[in-house]
Amino acid sequence: RKEVEQDPGPFNVPEGATVAFNCTYSNSASQSFFWYRQDCRKEPKLLMSVYSSGNEDGRFTAQLNRASQYISLLIRDSKLSDSATYLCVVNSGGGADGLTFGKGTHLIIQP
Amino acid sequence: DADVTQTPRNRITKTGKRIMLECSQTKGHDRMYWYRQDPGLGLRLIYYSFDVKDINKGEISDGYSVSRQAQAKFSLSLESAIPNQTALYFCATSDPRGVPDTQYFGPGTRLTVL
Repeated sequence: RKEVEQDPGPFNVPEGATVAFNCTYSNSASQSFFWYRQDCRKEPKLLMSVYSSGNEDGRFTAQLNRASQYISLLIRDSKLSDSATYLCVVNSGGGADGLTFGKGTHLIIQP
Repeated sequence: DADVTQTPRNRITKTGKRIMLECSQTKGHDRMYWYRQDPGLGLRLIYYSFDVKDINKGEISDGYSVSRQAQAKFSLSLESAIPNQTALYFCATSDPRGVPDTQYFGPGTRLTVL
């Protein structure tokens, strides 16, 4: 089983809709969780950390389910500018900061 | 000005050539990383360095070497480039004293090996 798994998509979603996608991780000892955003041919950038109690940043909500070992990202009132690839990142400890990057979920917001 | 810069941004080279990719940062971070990104494979760690005297192999270090010339500079070398090293290469930094686990990426170098 891969350490961090994401549905690659693409998710085609009309503008204004709500979209959600999950990421599963295999290491139950994983300590911290993040969503990064990557635009086409650009560098990944931190979108938000994911806290145990769940957290919200504007239209974005992140949730963590430790029992089932997945994190989720929900985007409300989607905008055309939300079109990007969303990378799930998990810190399982160990060397190199222990960060493991998922392959990403490609989101396309359609007008 | 960008905090993490990479040069060159694009490079086309031939099989067997030696090539160096450079990364500089003005963030004052001790930790620096080199990743490659391939379609369908995501980001994979090549090498990382926690300070000037520290160099560590990542997941896919074969065929690569690195040099940490200063806190602000971390270069990646391909001693004898081969076509399957064609990829998008990212440098990143982090500061464990700052926002935990957050990595800051450079703009990337698109390398093509013919």
